[in-house]
Amino acid sequence: DTGVSQNPRHKITKRGQNVTFRCDPISEHNRLYWYRQTLGQGPEFLTYFQNEAQLEKSRLLSDRFSAERPKGSFSTLEIQRTEQGDSAMYLCASSSPRGTSANEQFFGPGTRLTVL
Amino acid sequence: AQKVTQAQTEISVVEKEDVTLDCVYETRDTTYYLFWYKQPPSGELVFLIRRNSFDEQNEISGRYSWNFQKSTSSFNFTITASQVVDSAVYFCALSEGYNFNKFYFGSGTKLNVKP
Repeated sequence: DTGVSQNPRHKITKRGQNVTFRCDPISEHNRLYWYRQTLGQGPEFLTYFQNEAQLEKSRLLSDRFSAERPKGSFSTLEIQRTEQGDSAMYLCASSSPRGTSANEQFFGPGTRLTVL
Repeated sequence: AQKVTQAQTEISVVEKEDVTLDCVYETRDTTYYLFWYKQPPSGELVFLIRRNSFDEQNEISGRYSWNFQKSTSSFNFTITASQVVDSAVYFCALSEGYNFNKFYFGSGTKLNVKP
C-alpha cells in the first residue's frame, strides 16, 4: 500500500502523559501536513513541512506540541503533558508539487487520541 | 473570522435527488486555491477537486459539478442523481498564495442520502 500511514490508529492516555504519533507520507511527496479534527468540525491546520524544514506553524500549536521530520521522510507529532482538550483525531497529509496530482493532499487514516 | 464557511450543517435527501452543497470563502489574496474533500464514515478524507482563483470555469465530473463564482466568493458543489454511497461529510478548503503551505477547512456539510 503506497498511501499515507499513521500510527497508532488509536491512543488512550491519562492527563499529563506525553504521547507521540507517527506519519509516513507517500514516498515521493516532499510536503507533509498535520491537522487536528474534533467531532463535527473540519480539520484545523497545525503545521507544514517541506522536506525536513518546518515552514508553517499554527497558533494552535502550543508549546506542548512539537513536530519533526528529521530526514524529510516520516514525521512525528509529540504532545507533552496532555490535557483533556487535546482529545481529537490527528490527521496527516502529504503532497507533491509535481505530477498529475500536483498539490493534491493525500490524507492518512488519522490517530484518534483520547485523554482521560 | 472564518475563512471558509459551510452554512449547511446537515442535508438529507432521497436517492436520485440533486443536492447542492454551499461554500463561501474569504481571502484578500488574488492567488488562491479552493478544494472539496469527501469524508465517508470510514473517516479518511478523499480529494475531489481543486480550482485556482484564475480559472472560473465550472467543472463537471460524472454526477459531480462545481460552480466557482469569484463575484460572490462561492465554490458550490452539486451532486446530480444522488446515491446512498454519496452519504458522507463534505469539506470545502482554501489555500492562499502559491505555496500550499497552509489550508483552511470549513466545518463540513453532512449529506445523508436515503434509499
